[in-house]
Amino acid sequence: DAGVIQSPRHEVTEMGQEVTLRCKPISGHDYLFWYRQTMMRGLELLIYFNNNVPIDDSGMPEDRFSAKMPNASFSTLKIQPSEPRDSAVYFCASSLSHLGKGETQYFGPGTRLLVL
Amino acid sequence: AQSVTQPDIHITVSEGASLELRCNYSYGATPYLFWYVQSPGQGLQLLLKYFSGDTLVQGIKGFEAEFKRSQSSFNLRKPSVHWSDAAEYFCAVGSGSSNTGKLIFGQGTTLQVKP
Repeated sequence: DAGVIQSPRHEVTEMGQEVTLRCKPISGHDYLFWYRQTMMRGLELLIYFNNNVPIDDSGMPEDRFSAKMPNASFSTLKIQPSEPRDSAVYFCASSLSHLGKGETQYFGPGTRLLVL
Repeated sequence: AQSVTQPDIHITVSEGASLELRCNYSYGATPYLFWYVQSPGQGLQLLLKYFSGDTLVQGIKGFEAEFKRSQSSFNLRKPSVHWSDAAEYFCAVGSGSSNTGKLIFGQGTTLQVKP
């Protein structure tokens, strides 16, 4: 398997622009997670899906952030409008099942976002 | 609330020396514990995990970790460090509840290896 695929790997945009990050989970995985990594706050869970349904979005910082999973093989994280403080590395991860069954989360390579 | 503390932000060891990275967690029930490694510009790779059973867990790349409930710790060890081990290491705790898949990560420890 190719692992979790994220695109783009790097994104540079200007404040106020819309940013869309994409993720393809490992085939057959029922859970998908979006994380954000910054120097100040470390790794934070933003939202996760089970069978394409958002389960917990309590980590989404504000209404400018939205995430969708239209099907089992694709998810997007959108920031509109973007702000400089959104600059971070955004990771997507997937797992076969939930932690209670001993499953592991597999991480993608991340998207490095810079908002000028 | 669950939390993870990695007391050491940065550690430097000589190649061939032993390594121990500390991790302390706060969680009411039996935790699910993980160690991940992140090389520069890369995603996170799982080194090992503890869910139940033997408290000494073996992982990839020669790493092991020991779960000590009395100390709320899950320290990562390696007997002989290689230059390729230089990376950032994250400890994480998961609740394991059937209605949550959350992992809570520590702030990470950056390992530098001297030749």
